[in-house]
Amino acid sequence: DAEITQSPRHKITETGRQVTLACHQTWNHNNMFWYRQDLGHGLRLIHYSYGVQDTNKGEVSDGYSVSRSNTEDLPLTLESAASSQTSVYFCASSESAGYNEQFFGPGTRLTVL
Amino acid sequence: AQKVTQAQTEISVVEKEDVTLDCVYETRDTTYYLFWYKQPPSGELVFLIRRNSFDEQNEISGRYSWNFQKSTSSFNFTITASQVVDSAVYFCALSEARGNYGQNFVFGPGTRLSVLP
Repeated sequence: DAEITQSPRHKITETGRQVTLACHQTWNHNNMFWYRQDLGHGLRLIHYSYGVQDTNKGEVSDGYSVSRSNTEDLPLTLESAASSQTSVYFCASSESAGYNEQFFGPGTRLTVL
Repeated sequence: AQKVTQAQTEISVVEKEDVTLDCVYETRDTTYYLFWYKQPPSGELVFLIRRNSFDEQNEISGRYSWNFQKSTSSFNFTITASQVVDSAVYFCALSEARGNYGQNFVFGPGTRLSVLP
């Protein structure tokens, strides 16, 4: 069965360190997204990609970067982790076009000390 | 800009009660899509339903039903005869097409539903 996975599921890091969260999907979807979930804010879009070599900034992109070298993967990098980036991160993917639902990974809980 | 409002932050009901979760959206597009997702205590996000802006028919799936009204920009979700397993955070979302391939997806802040035995 097709799926979307994230690793690690839990991560504790220190302020200033670089952190990379992995996202891998086997749906063969062109669209991939990264969100963060914080209490009171729902899901906020960090970065998204509509295909290989395509990346775009979302609502809360400062301090984050992504790259898309193949269809299956969209790693999210925190260049220099800050305590404000403590959150639960979700990766999602969807088929091309606006009417398609997004399928979500299980999430990564990141704590920055 | 598009926006989704879920005014109810938390709702508590007793098992077997009916409950309605409200969702109000804002968009300038004439073509758009509305979604509901469920996030149970285990944390995953589960897709429940999609509706496009041209289809205002209400939908029923078992104990779940959705009422889409363009006149009030609302897409409300009703659970009939609620059960403890319905306890979760429910998110309403709005998607607007961007070109042929893209989508601009916005989530509401969510409503936490607690169903008490």
